[in-house]
Order: sequence, then C-alpha cells, then structure tokens
Amino acid sequence: DARVTQTPRHKVTEMGQEVTMRCQPILGHNTVFWYRQTMMQGLELLAYFRNRAPLDDSGMPKDRFSAEMPDATLATLKIQPSEPRDSAVYFCASGRLAGGEQYFGPGTRLTVT
Amino acid sequence: GQQVMQIPQYQHVQEGEDFTTYCNSSTTLSNIQWYKQRPGGHPVFLIQLVKSGEVKKQKRLTFQFGEAKKNSSLHITATQTTDVGTYFCAGNTGFQKLVFGTGTRLLVSP
Repeated sequence: DARVTQTPRHKVTEMGQEVTMRCQPILGHNTVFWYRQTMMQGLELLAYFRNRAPLDDSGMPKDRFSAEMPDATLATLKIQPSEPRDSAVYFCASGRLAGGEQYFGPGTRLTVT
Repeated sequence: GQQVMQIPQYQHVQEGEDFTTYCNSSTTLSNIQWYKQRPGGHPVFLIQLVKSGEVKKQKRLTFQFGEAKKNSSLHITATQTTDVGTYFCAGNTGFQKLVFGTGTRLLVSP
C-alpha cells in the first residue's frame, strides 16, 4: 500500500532555530506539494514541484522558507530562522498530475516556542 | 486570486440526520475534488467531478457539480459517527494546482 511519508511527525523548537521537514512521495508520482494547515488560515499551498522542478512557491514566505527536491524520492521544506507564527501542521502531498488526485502524508506538527 | 468558500463552517448533527456542505468558487473550475480529514489526521481523497451537472454517489455520500462548474455540494444521508471530520472541496482552474476550500467541520453525536 503506497503512502507518502513525512519526518519528523512532531517537532518542538525554539524561535530562531532551523527546521527541516522531509517528505518521501509515492513512487511514480511526479508532482509534490507542500501545504500548511492552521486553525485560522486553513489549508494553504506553500509550494509545488513537477518532475523535481519548482513550479510555484508564491505561497511561501521567501525570506525564511525554502523548498527543494534533491531527488525524486525526497522533498524538503526548510525554515530558517523559525518563528512562533510558523507553528502549524505541514503536509506533503504527491500526485501524478498537478490538478489531479493528491495523496497526503501524515504531516509534521511544528511548534515554535 | 481564486477563492473557494464552503458553508457552513461547522455543523453538529445527531446520528441519523442528513448533512450537506456547499462549495462555491469565484472562478469556473475544470474539475472539483472532495477530501475528508478525520480529527488529527490528514486529508484523504474522496472523489473527483469533471462534467457540468455531474452527480456521483458513494454509499451514503452524494456529490454534485454545478451546471456552471462554479459550485459543488456533498450530501451525507443518515450520518454515522464515523462521518465525523472536516470535509474540504478543492477546485482546479486548469492552472495545474488545486485551491482548497475553507472546509466544513462535521460533528455527529450518537
């Protein structure tokens, strides 16, 4: 049963620290998405990739967030420096088509104190 | 930019009652998808609608896509406690990314 995996599942860090979240998309999926979910803002698209190339990162604060796909089996989302307002659940999702069905990972719950 | 709104934001029903959530887009959609997120879980794909006026059923769930392809609805007949969660619609305008709606949180009391 193919699944998207994310690590870590939970992360507590202090303000100013660097945070790196990792995602392994489903094998064969060429589109990867990063979302952030909070009670106030709902589910926000931060960035997405097709065939490892970034297509849209307009939802991401550029000064502190960066997203990459070093290879087809790994996507990373980095926050440096982290701030308390970054506290949220970060989901990675993958799919065969950018506008098609998306498979979500279990999420990384980030708390920045 | 494109917005996708859902109403209601929250609904609490007694088990056995029906439930409907409505999704409205500010722009015409090429397709619409529905996802369910259980408390503490992640969104899980339920269905995709593509054609104007399309209606699809999954057991007690009925999904409709509006004639103008700007709105959609999800209706659950005779809710069960297992239906608890947040239901999201997600619209695709053809620009190759989904825009998720604001979600409707459903609570079902036994």
